[in-house]
Amino acid sequence: ELKVEQNPLFLSMQEGKNYTIYCNYSTTSDRLYWYRQDPGKSLESLFVLLSNGAVKQEGRLMASLDTKARLSTLHITAAVHDLSATYFCAVDLMYSGGGADGLTFGKGTHLIIQP
Amino acid sequence: DAGVIQSPRHEVTEMGQEVTLRCKPISGHDYLFWYRQTMMRGLELLIYFNNNVPIDDSGMPEDRFSAKMPNASFSTLKIQPSEPRDSAVYFCASSIWNTQYFGPGTRLTVL
Repeated sequence: ELKVEQNPLFLSMQEGKNYTIYCNYSTTSDRLYWYRQDPGKSLESLFVLLSNGAVKQEGRLMASLDTKARLSTLHITAAVHDLSATYFCAVDLMYSGGGADGLTFGKGTHLIIQP
Repeated sequence: DAGVIQSPRHEVTEMGQEVTLRCKPISGHDYLFWYRQTMMRGLELLIYFNNNVPIDDSGMPEDRFSAKMPNASFSTLKIQPSEPRDSAVYFCASSIWNTQYFGPGTRLTVL
């Protein structure tokens, strides 16, 4: 059974600071996703990481994937209040290489950024 | 594009009643997924379809749950009979390649 673990599950930080959210998963997969969810809202896709060593950046967020360590990180640079949300990582149960599969999600990291 | 459309957005029903949730995927997407989100269990995959065919329904919790996709633009998730523990937000998502796009969700409350 695929397990996806995020840490921390709760993070309160000040604006301007840097921090990293970690996502470990238990079985081989080459495809990892990061989503953002605001309270009462749906999930918004942030990054899709498709290979070992993949790194993607969007604004103050940067995600990376190390498939050998089964680890992905989401790094926040100079945090601003608008980044307050819950962040989920998710992994394919089985990446067939030719299609899509259902996602196994971590429990989410509830991020609060205070002025 | 309008994105993934789900209806109703909110549903309140009594235990024992039948509940039907509806989803219209993004046009051209060939995968459709149903997920459930609760505080206790987080986000769970229930079932997914490829080209209208169910591929994996191992996440469907009980026989009370059923899902159909009669055509490429419509899917339903039915719960019969509903129970209070079915209360959750149910998300539908669709994809064509790598990224799954989620609908706004249906918040179900079973009294």
